[in-house]
Amino acid sequence: SQQGEEDPQALSIQEGENATMNCSYKTSINNLQWYRQNSGRGLVHLILIRSNEREKHSGRLRVTLDTSKKSSSLLITASRAADTASYFCATAPTSGNTPLVFGKGTRLSVIA
Amino acid sequence: EPEVTQTPSHQVTQMGQEVILRCVPISNHLYFYWYRQILGQKVEFLVSFYNNEISEKSEIFDDQFSVERPDGSNFTLKIRSTKLEDSAMYFCASSDRLHLNTEAFFGQGTRLTVV
Repeated sequence: SQQGEEDPQALSIQEGENATMNCSYKTSINNLQWYRQNSGRGLVHLILIRSNEREKHSGRLRVTLDTSKKSSSLLITASRAADTASYFCATAPTSGNTPLVFGKGTRLSVIA
Repeated sequence: EPEVTQTPSHQVTQMGQEVILRCVPISNHLYFYWYRQILGQKVEFLVSFYNNEISEKSEIFDDQFSVERPDGSNFTLKIRSTKLEDSAMYFCASSDRLHLNTEAFFGQGTRLTVV
């Protein structure tokens, strides 16, 4: 089954606007993580939210987690052109040594 | 700030050739991973490595693939006989604990092109 599916697949906004990306998953998780990837580059960890947490902030980032709906959202406030990248959610399932499971990502374009 | 480094950044190889992708994880990390991302697709798990052995591997990680930690700093991924469909970005990652409670640190990736 698919895990960590983001929506929308692509999002285009004006600089200064807020960007919201959503992630849904299917299995029980220990934590959910958001990563950013600039075009053709590596993955940069943004924020980790544990299953017993509901909201977490880091600078202009706000992540929520609703385990009853198996969903998470990433909000980037006051977006900048430099925020243009792909954003991935990755889930750490509760069972055993299973690794992070990534979604397909949301491609965010912030237009100056 | 410590980082995971990967070499080369780009490798072009002929189908059927062997390639070795190299990674230097963060020095005090204990868990090492390889992931790959086919162009435009999701990031897929290949293998995890702990205590000098594979702890988990995916269906993608078949007999053509192997990993090794030849010394205290390097972590390599070998593809024995490359296929066209092996063309992808390969990411190495490391963490000080299992993914259960910590983030993984990813390298910049090696873009493998099989021709």
